Amino acid sequence: AQSVTQLDSQVPVFEEAPVELRCNYSSSVSVYLFWYVQYPNQGLQLLLKYLSGSTLVKGINGFEAEFNKSQTSFHLRKPSVHISDTAEYFCAVTPSGGSNYKLTFGKGTLLTVNP
Amino acid sequence: GAVVSQHPSWVICKSGTSVKIECRSLDFQATTMFWYRQFPKQSLMLMATSNEGSKATYEQGVEKDKFLINHASLTLSTLTVTSAHPEDSSFYICSATSGPSYEQYFGPGTRLTVT
Repeated sequence: AQSVTQLDSQVPVFEEAPVELRCNYSSSVSVYLFWYVQYPNQGLQLLLKYLSGSTLVKGINGFEAEFNKSQTSFHLRKPSVHISDTAEYFCAVTPSGGSNYKLTFGKGTLLTVNP
Repeated sequence: GAVVSQHPSWVICKSGTSVKIECRSLDFQATTMFWYRQFPKQSLMLMATSNEGSKATYEQGVEKDKFLINHASLTLSTLTVTSAHPEDSSFYICSATSGPSYEQYFGPGTRLTVT
C-alpha cells in the first residue's frame, strides 16, 4: 500500500514570492508521482507528473517538482507566485509497472497568495 | 483534448430519494472511470473503479448497494446514490483514463446536498 504526506495543510505567501509545497510518500514498490491543483468547487487539473527519466519535472503554470528517491519526496516549487495560484494542491502516487492505476492522494495543501 | 464532464454540477435532494450523477468523456474513449468523494477541506477518497461493460470494483468500506455505478459505454459512467441521507452530502468527482494509462482526467465535480 502507498501513503502520501503533505507536510503543510496551509501555506500563505505574498505575491511574487517563491513557494515550496512539500510532499513525502511511503511505498514498498516503485511509484509514479503527480501533483494536481484544485480551484474552488472544481475538479482536479494535472500540474505535472514523474514517471521516469530526469528527476526535475516541469509542469504547467511555471511549476516544477523534484523527485528524490532517497528521501521519498516530491516537492513542488514555483519561483514567483501570482494571486491566481491560490488553490488547493494535491500530491498523489500510484504503483508503477502494474495494471492498478489507482491514485493515492495526500490531504492537500491550501496555497493562499496575498497581494 | 481529454475533457471530462459531470452532470449535474450541483443537486439538492430530500432524504430517502435517489440521485444520479453522470460522468462523460467528451473527446476520448474512457476504458476506466473512477469515482471519488471529497469532504470539505479534505482529500479525495476513491470510492470505486469501473471498466466499461464490467461490474465496478468498490473500495473497502463503500456500500455497493448504496452507491450504484454503471459504466455502460466507453464515454459514460453513472453514480446513483440510493436512499440518500444527509451524511451522503459531499462533493463527488469522477475521473477517466484512456487505455492503460497512469494519467487520470478529472471532471469538475458534483456537489450533492441531502436535506
